Amino acid sequence: DIQVTQSPSTLSASVGDRVTITCRASQSISTWLAWYQQKPGKAPKFLVYMASTLESGVPSRFSGSGSGTIFTLTISSLQPDDFATYYCQQYNSYPWTFGQGTKVETK
Amino acid sequence: QVRLQQWGAGLLKPSETLSLTCAVYGTSISDYYWSWIRQTPGKGLEWIGEVHHSGSTNFNPSLNSRVAISVDTSNSQFSMSLSSVTAADTGVYYCARLGKDVYNGLFDSWGQGTRVTVSS
Repeated sequence: DIQVTQSPSTLSASVGDRVTITCRASQSISTWLAWYQQKPGKAPKFLVYMASTLESGVPSRFSGSGSGTIFTLTISSLQPDDFATYYCQQYNSYPWTFGQGTKVETK
Repeated sequence: QVRLQQWGAGLLKPSETLSLTCAVYGTSISDYYWSWIRQTPGKGLEWIGEVHHSGSTNFNPSLNSRVAISVDTSNSQFSMSLSSVTAADTGVYYCARLGKDVYNGLFDSWGQGTRVTVSS
């Protein structure tokens, strides 16, 4: 299995801050990586695919980058609606695997 | 608009079998793979397996021996069963659509989730 490790597990930030979440894969996955946002009591919602392509409707303050084994999700200016938990997922090979999540909380 | 509506028993005793069903609305069940994913305190988000309308399946090896997934194309539904549950299977279970084309491999629509508790 391809292991996917996120850091940090928790991130404390304020509205307007630039935040970056990192995802590392245990082997190269090219750009087969997605990012999801999950709010309490809700299912995850995917934001980014192919490591850097924003899904339609996702605000442009979100951006993804990386290839191979290291990836980042950046929120350029954190908004109140962005406080949530973020997950990366590799879809290079079975079994599909997720990172353990990064909770973005209010500082 | 795609909508997934899931249901099933939420409280089980150890060794029982978990059964969940997901109904698909707003899209043809024949065009995609359909997955089950769970979120547990111990392992976080974990892909369980997937089924195609043809009946073809893929499973996570960690659960392979205990999981069955089937599809009912006439009713636009798919189902999952997980046998011999333990407390480690406690969590929220989601059905989800596996995307295709540029979305192939990621989950682009999700059900609302079913909270499952395993306790004696």
